[in-house]
Amino acid sequence: GDSVTQMEGPVTLSEEAFLTINCTYTATGYPSLFWYVQYPGEGLQLLLKATKADDKGSNKGFEATYRKETTSFHLEKGSVQVSDSAVYFCALSLTGTASKLTFGTGTRLQVTL
Amino acid sequence: KAGVTQTPRYLIKTRGQQVTLSCSPISGHRSVSWYQQTPGQGLQFLFEYFSETQRNKGNFPGRFSGRQFSNSRSEMNVSTLELGDSALYLCASSPGQGSNQPQHFGDGTRLSIL
Repeated sequence: GDSVTQMEGPVTLSEEAFLTINCTYTATGYPSLFWYVQYPGEGLQLLLKATKADDKGSNKGFEATYRKETTSFHLEKGSVQVSDSAVYFCALSLTGTASKLTFGTGTRLQVTL
Repeated sequence: KAGVTQTPRYLIKTRGQQVTLSCSPISGHRSVSWYQQTPGQGLQFLFEYFSETQRNKGNFPGRFSGRQFSNSRSEMNVSTLELGDSALYLCASSPGQGSNQPQHFGDGTRLSIL
């Protein structure tokens, strides 16, 4: 079946460090890929998305490129801030079941001063 | 534009009871999906409703059911509650057309079973 694998957390970084959170997927067909972020006590917020191979999604300094050859969608940010501390979820949806998201297990990011 | 609204935010029930959770989607959104979030199983898809019809269903027992009204508001019902049903239940809405539209999530209802 379809699945998303994320790197285990927590990830602890100092402010202004470079961030990479790895995400790989298994899917039948051609999925759309998403990164969502969850702050404590809140629901999920869409961070960025990519809908086809080689697309790059970007938002608030975060980027991820849809790599079909490696079935990956790694999240990166050049300089993290304390306010980026949250749980990050990689997810996919398939054509025809667009409102059914399959999520990874989430990666907790802790940024310290 | 108001976001997705879920009520109540917190709920405490005992085993064997039933519960109904409510979700009001973003205005104009016709698709509503429900997810269960637990520390052990993560985020799992429950079901999706579009134009008052269930369009997709996840792998949950029949105790979990839902419905959608003509104004796109949705309710989710869980009967004969079990301890394992303790979770954060998230609702998400989208316009419902096309495969690329992201879902917008509410803040969830945290259900605790005693």
